Amino acid sequence: QITLKESGPTLVKPTQTLTLTCTFSGFSLSTSGVGVGWIRQPPGKALEWLALIYWNDDKRYSPSLKSRLTITKDTSKNQVVLTMTNMDPVDTATYYCAHAVRYQLLLLFDYWGQGTLVTVSS
Amino acid sequence: DIQMTQSPSSVSASVGDRVTITCRASQGISSWLAWYQQKPGKAPKLLIYAASSLQSGVPSRFSGSGSGTDFTLTISSLQPEDFATYYCQQANSFRLTFGGGTKVEIK
Repeated sequence: QITLKESGPTLVKPTQTLTLTCTFSGFSLSTSGVGVGWIRQPPGKALEWLALIYWNDDKRYSPSLKSRLTITKDTSKNQVVLTMTNMDPVDTATYYCAHAVRYQLLLLFDYWGQGTLVTVSS
Repeated sequence: DIQMTQSPSSVSASVGDRVTITCRASQGISSWLAWYQQKPGKAPKLLIYAASSLQSGVPSRFSGSGSGTDFTLTISSLQPEDFATYYCQQANSFRLTFGGGTKVEIK
């Protein structure tokens, strides 16, 4: 049974750095083809993909946010960490992590965490 | 980046209705499209991948079709638990993008 859970601060101040941790079980990030992604959703708005890390440590980022994002993994702890610098109120959103698999050329998210709401405010 | 445009942004329907949602890609993505369902306060759930393949456990009243730039998600007979927001997602490249969502509301 695959489960994922996000953890981190619920409130950050503008200009601060956000660090979110995704702790998962039911799969290993050392297994070929497996990845973990981060997706966010501002209140009442659509989903936005942020970053992805693969079993082989290949990392991908949203082009519009690439300069602010870093994704890392700790395979021994079954964790993936996302950092986002220079937070702004527009970054207020629910942040999800998700298990990613590739079906031929299609990358899809088949298991999701419950999400964590991060508010950016002074 | 490939832009994904969904229409309509919302639709009102009754239980038993047939509902069709459209997703258009700004450039061809072959069949590399997925559909997700999201209920209020919950994480998205994968429904369909590769445009028309049903994810395990998803009821057969859900179906997907299309290729290239135009795709549809159809719910053949809307059930009470289907009232939700639906998103398409492309991953023809590593630059994943989601559509803006279609909210299916009770009429």
